[in-house]
Amino acid sequence: KAGVTQTPRYLIKTRGQQVTLSCSPISGHRSVSWYQQTPGQGLQFLFEYFSETQRNKGNFPGRFSGRQFSNSRSEMNVSTLELGDSALYLCASSLAGEGGELFFGEGSRLTVL
Amino acid sequence: GESVGLHLPTLSVQEGDNSIINCAYSNSASDYFIWYKQESGKGPQFIIDIRSNMDKRQGQRVTVLLNKTVKHLSLQIAATQPGDSAVYFCAENKGGTASKLTFGTGTRLQVTL
Repeated sequence: KAGVTQTPRYLIKTRGQQVTLSCSPISGHRSVSWYQQTPGQGLQFLFEYFSETQRNKGNFPGRFSGRQFSNSRSEMNVSTLELGDSALYLCASSLAGEGGELFFGEGSRLTVL
Repeated sequence: GESVGLHLPTLSVQEGDNSIINCAYSNSASDYFIWYKQESGKGPQFIIDIRSNMDKRQGQRVTVLLNKTVKHLSLQIAATQPGDSAVYFCAENKGGTASKLTFGTGTRLQVTL
């Protein structure tokens, strides 16, 4: 069974631009969560989507947004990029998000210049 | 924090020995704890979890111990192998769905031959 797939794997943007990252969860998984990983702050929860609705949200500014489609695929968007947004963005999926294992993708590494 | 580029606590263990990785958590109300392993260039991988109504849980070569009195979690790896070299994170669920996790800063495990 295919794992969580994230695209693109690497990307470089400049300050002020916006970026969209994509995540395809494991087939049958309905919950998709997004995490940001940086050397300074570690792994931080961004948000979770379940059945196309945002179910949980972390402490990130409104520049960070996401959505989920009817096939459970998810996208996250960061607008007006700042240097500090450079990070590894990880997507994780689970069956229903109420417990049990989160399956992470390999991440999208964003560099903001 | 992130495994790359950050000075993490490092545990060096000889192949075949047992490893013990410790983690202190912050919220006495947390009811779900998970250990993840992250290899270079990959997303975190679930190792084992434990609920707050348990003190100990065993998996294949791994054991998680939970001490709620002192808010301490440990991961024991038996007969450590070179493939166990990675950064290990503990995570806690402080509320909301189980997808919303708060991760610790991580410990790098180095297995020497």
